[in-house]
Amino acid sequence: SQTIHQWPATLVQPVGSPLSLECTVEGTSNPNLYWYRQAAGRGLQLLFYSVGIGQISSEVPQNLSASRPQDRQFILSSKKLLLSDSGFYLCAWSVRLVGGNEQFFGPGTRLTVL
Amino acid sequence: AQTVTQSQPEMSVQEAETVTLSCTYDTSESDYYLFWYKQPPSRQMILVIRQEAYKQQNATENRFSVNFQKAAKSFSLKISDSQLGDAAMYFCAYRRGDDYKLSFGAGTTVTVRA
Repeated sequence: SQTIHQWPATLVQPVGSPLSLECTVEGTSNPNLYWYRQAAGRGLQLLFYSVGIGQISSEVPQNLSASRPQDRQFILSSKKLLLSDSGFYLCAWSVRLVGGNEQFFGPGTRLTVL
Repeated sequence: AQTVTQSQPEMSVQEAETVTLSCTYDTSESDYYLFWYKQPPSRQMILVIRQEAYKQQNATENRFSVNFQKAAKSFSLKISDSQLGDAAMYFCAYRRGDDYKLSFGAGTTVTVRA
């Protein structure tokens, strides 16, 4: 069966510090991968998605970046965190087919920028 | 861009009773998919139910069912025989048929009273 991991689970970082959040998927090959951010009490905002190694699409302008160094690894980064980067970050995957394929979400990372 | 609207920020239901969550969406597409996701206090996003736009029959999953009104662009979720474990935030989501990306509503928080 497929599983998706995210770490760390929680993170407290000072403003201006770098960020690296990692997501890995097991039990599937060539998945589509996604990074979402959820502000407190709000819905999910798609930040990045990837359909293959090295292929990253950005949905919103921001000081965050994403990379996919391996087929089942997706990394969210920042060189200098802002207070507005605080939130709950969710990684998700789906099979790389059109149709009714749903997205499966990881447990998330709660980021607090102070 | 597609928009998904959930007009009820909060709903409360007595245990064993029924609650209906509303969702409307805006699209000019004919091929698309609709989803309801549940986010319990653990923050893990869990797929509850999925509906293909080309299907007239409403989807059901045990105590969860939808009322899909394509012409009205409405996709409500009914939770029957509510249980304490149903307490969560529920998100409606839309995906165009030939796309990978999900658009989420702002969510509805469901409280179940014992």
